[in-house]
Amino acid sequence: QSVLTQPPSVSGAPGQRITISCTGSSSNIGAGNDVHWYQQLPGTAPKLLIFANNNRPSGVPDRFSGSNSGTSASLAITGLQADDEADYYCQSYDNSLSGSVFGGGTKVTVL
Amino acid sequence: EVQLLESGGGLVQPGGSLRLSCAASGFTFSNYAMSWVRQAPGKGLEWVSGISSGGSTYYADSVKGRFTISRDNSKNTVFLQMNSLRGDDTALYYCAKYSLSWVVGALDIWGQGTMVTVSS
Repeated sequence: QSVLTQPPSVSGAPGQRITISCTGSSSNIGAGNDVHWYQQLPGTAPKLLIFANNNRPSGVPDRFSGSNSGTSASLAITGLQADDEADYYCQSYDNSLSGSVFGGGTKVTVL
Repeated sequence: EVQLLESGGGLVQPGGSLRLSCAASGFTFSNYAMSWVRQAPGKGLEWVSGISSGGSTYYADSVKGRFTISRDNSKNTVFLQMNSLRGDDTALYYCAKYSLSWVVGALDIWGQGTMVTVSS
């Protein structure tokens, strides 16, 4: 059971917009701790996609965006493409656990 | 080029020990916190441990008392000493760099991982 809760899977057609939710609690996201998002393509190491809630590292397309509110955060992907098929993870810091925590991951499928 | 290179994984019997190493290059290692994250076969990411730039250490409850993280800034290397290994420790272990000096930032650089298999 992950501290941060994500839907196991999300799918969409090419060009569509999808969102992935990440639900936490008052000891992590709700405490104002930043949320970060990672993309893991099959057989590869995770890659930082969004940092500090809504910032993209250099090279990440602006089709990817993040937001958060209260004890939840969301990752949006617009203009969905075939090579967006991957697992996506949210991560934050938990004050009670004194460490980083991940969501369980969401598999994105492009129909 | 910014790079993390893990080593030390392998097959170990239950109850055994293993020491993982992660050699960093391309950035000022001593300025950043470092972390170990693992991924069991077919499963999601699990944060295992972190160490601040100043040497403060943090652990997931699942490994507390069994694993020890340390760093050698003179060698740009972070270590994970794993004792009393169990079957559920079987995973690909990633080394990752935090974007800040404390274990509260994003993990902006990842290694390719080293596989640890605990089995008799």
